[in-house]
Amino acid sequence: ETGVTQTPRHLVMGMTNKKSLKCEQHLGHNAMYWYKQSAKKPLELMFVYNFKEQTENNSVPSRFSPECPNSSHLFLHLHTLQPEDSALYLCASSQGGATYNEQFFGPGTRLTVL
Amino acid sequence: GENVEQHPSTLSVQEGDSAVIKCTYSDSASNYFPWYKQELGKRPQLIIDIRSNVGEKKDQRIAVTLNKTAKHFSLHITETQPEDSAVYFCAASFMDTGRRALTFGSGTRLQVQP
Repeated sequence: ETGVTQTPRHLVMGMTNKKSLKCEQHLGHNAMYWYKQSAKKPLELMFVYNFKEQTENNSVPSRFSPECPNSSHLFLHLHTLQPEDSALYLCASSQGGATYNEQFFGPGTRLTVL
Repeated sequence: GENVEQHPSTLSVQEGDSAVIKCTYSDSASNYFPWYKQELGKRPQLIIDIRSNVGEKKDQRIAVTLNKTAKHFSLHITETQPEDSAVYFCAASFMDTGRRALTFGSGTRLQVQP
């Protein structure tokens, strides 16, 4: 696999379930991001990690819990979600450092909360 | 924080015509302005970007202009083709060592009629 991969590609879960989304980048990048894409807010930043450290939490509810064990992997742990959390969740990565760097997106996980 | 407004939300043009999408931003410190293209069912991909020390940048049929005084920037696509049909997102950010997150506009759905 090359670029940014995400699993699963589709997920259906109940409001009481606990699930995790996984993102992996094969580009040697040091920054990783989670975005939520929905009809209401097309590309909404959720979390930013630089060199495994969380540098931004865009007022995301605590039912979303990110984890970045290393620069290549990013997880989004989900618990007690609401139907309005149904959306496409996109992961992205970019090179670290103080430069203007392109963000490379994964294919996304289509999440449906019943 | 940064706020990015994007217009129009939908745009339909005839093949061969030009298309212009406009964005305004609120944070005068922003210095990096990328444009992403998202085809139906696919991930967003960077098509062009501009930094605040440049007023215009071109890449074949695509150009971006930046007016720092007015805090707006625009995407220009000339000689449009059906494969240009997609959703286009503008974004803005202040790039430094600590912050690398982009604030995206709400997107413009461009339809090029053959």
